[in-house]
Formats: sequence, C-alpha cells, structure tokens
Amino acid sequence: DTAVSQTPKYLVTQMGNDKSIKCEQNLGHDTMYWYKQDSKKFLKIMFSYNNKELIINETVPNRFSPKSPDKAHLNLHINSLELGDSAVYFCASSQPPGGVQYFGPGTRLLVL
Amino acid sequence: AQSVTQLGSHVSVSEGALVLLRCNYSSSVPPYLFWYVQYPNQGLQLLLKYTSAATLVKGINGFEAEFKKSETSFHLTKPSAHMSDAAEYFCAVSGPSYGQNFVFGPGTRLSVLP
Repeated sequence: DTAVSQTPKYLVTQMGNDKSIKCEQNLGHDTMYWYKQDSKKFLKIMFSYNNKELIINETVPNRFSPKSPDKAHLNLHINSLELGDSAVYFCASSQPPGGVQYFGPGTRLLVL
Repeated sequence: AQSVTQLGSHVSVSEGALVLLRCNYSSSVPPYLFWYVQYPNQGLQLLLKYTSAATLVKGINGFEAEFKKSETSFHLTKPSAHMSDAAEYFCAVSGPSYGQNFVFGPGTRLSVLP
C-alpha cells in the first residue's frame, strides 16, 4: 500500500541510450511532479502535471519528456542520455493548493 | 516569486544537545511552509507544515518550528538530538493558490556526534 512508487529503483545505462522511469500514486491526488536531485542534494523541480495536463515545465532539456496516461501515473522518458543526467529522480504528488507533497523513494540513474 | 534560504549547509551537534536548523523565506503571498527530512538513500518525508494556523507547529520525532512573519523565518528545533536524527533537512515554501509550486531550500545536513 505504498503511497507513491517508482520503478526502477536503480538504473545504470550507457550514454546515448533512451530510458524511462515510471511513477504511480494511490493517494487520489490531482497533481504529480518530477524532481531531480543532484550530488549536492539540491532539489530542482522539472515538471508538474495536474489531472494529466502539464502545468509546470521548468528549464529542462527537451530530451526529457513526461507522460501522464491518467492522474495516478506520471512517467519520465529520457532520450539520448548524457553523463550530466546522472542523479536521483523523485516523483511526488500533492493535492493543491498548498497541499503536502508526498515523495516516492527515488530512482538512482547512473549514466556511464 | 518565492525563495528559501537555509543558513548552514552542514550542522553538527552532540547527542542530547539542542538542534536548530535555520530557514528564511521570501514570498509575495501568505506562505505555506514545510520541513522535510531525507534519510540516506531514501525519499523525502514530511516533518511538519505551517498553513496559517498556530505559529508554533509541532511535527514528528519531537521536532517543532515557529513561523515568524516579521523575520520571514521558519526555523526548525528539537530540544535533544538523537543519533537517528542525522539526515538532510529541507525547508520548502508554497503559495496558497493553485499552480504555485513548492520551492525547496538547498538543504542542511545534520550530523549528530556521540
């Protein structure tokens, strides 16, 4: 009965590959997010979706493409992976406005 | 626009000592304020939140934070540190309106010394 789940937990891949990370929430929230946490633990929001619609798209390379098939799922697809994409990616969900964000356990991506 | 600063990227305290982690925010609207904790290799977990009710907010694991509008601060405290409190702590601000996202501070790593 995990609230926000992500798969896979670890992802090791070569430069130039394409990969996807999946996220699911069972909290009934309307809004879902993707964050990137770098090696210095800094959290940067990448995308925000509300009811399957993109509402926030920060300055992120267009190699990153989120997809929300329904409001409980928000997947992240990354094309042509680069070394600098190595980080931990967190999915989160909340019920706006001002609601608490609930985070998934993270996906640790290492690009070799 | 909203922003958050956390003074001190690394704080060390002895076990049993007072924990004080500082957070200052900037917001053009009445803010919602949050503290999250991240244990090693885990996701973020909510410690406490302020949403314009009582200015002193109590959270889990003995933590509390006080909202001071005049100082635009929301510092996190715990009277007595435990070894298990060693983690990364993030302050975050959000607005009360739809579409206003969280803005996280840079984080403070808390070390607890025996």
